[in-house]
Amino acid sequence: DGGITQSPKYLFRKEGQNVTLSCEQNLNHDAMYWYRQDPGQGLRLIYYSQIVNDFQKGDIAEGYSVSREKKESFPLTVTSAQKNPTAFYLCASVPDRARGELFFGEGSRLTVL
Amino acid sequence: GEDVEQSLFLSVREGDSSVINCTYTDSSSTYLYWYKQEPGAGLQLLTYIFSNMDMKQDQRLTVLLNKKDKHLSLRIADTQTGDSAIYFCAERGGGSNYKLTFGKGTLLTVNP
Repeated sequence: DGGITQSPKYLFRKEGQNVTLSCEQNLNHDAMYWYRQDPGQGLRLIYYSQIVNDFQKGDIAEGYSVSREKKESFPLTVTSAQKNPTAFYLCASVPDRARGELFFGEGSRLTVL
Repeated sequence: GEDVEQSLFLSVREGDSSVINCTYTDSSSTYLYWYKQEPGAGLQLLTYIFSNMDMKQDQRLTVLLNKKDKHLSLRIADTQTGDSAIYFCAERGGGSNYKLTFGKGTLLTVNP
């Protein structure tokens, strides 16, 4: 089945460690996004990529890094420089460039102890 | 920057209609969307409306857009307990970067 797979679903890490969240899609979508969600907050854009080997910072990119070496994959690294990394992370892609709606994965919950 | 506002909570009785409201500031918005999020899950697109439309109906869902007032609403008819979730309003501004701005979400609670 086509879709977006995020892994792991739950992740616990100690403070000061870098962690990488995986996002894989088999939908042949060009554009992919990473959002962060905190309780009672909307979604805040971390990074996005419209095409392979290209990506742009979103509104809260500090402390995060991404790569886009393949169309199917857009991993997010949460570095030790991110001050409050505990959050729910959502990956998304764009099925229709004209309408621009986002198609989301199921999310990854990161807890930093 | 652009902003999207929505009330945080709504409680209704099963079988009643629910109306979730949203306001936005971007006058160049092209598309507006409603998403649903169940606990621990990603967001699911419910419906969308293009900015030159003022109403869209899809089964139990009715979207109303007042572009002059920058006001969007989602009406759910015959609300069921399975409709309990967080509902997000989002808008896409002009330009080709496909950036969406989301509201903080409205928690809909449906009481039996």
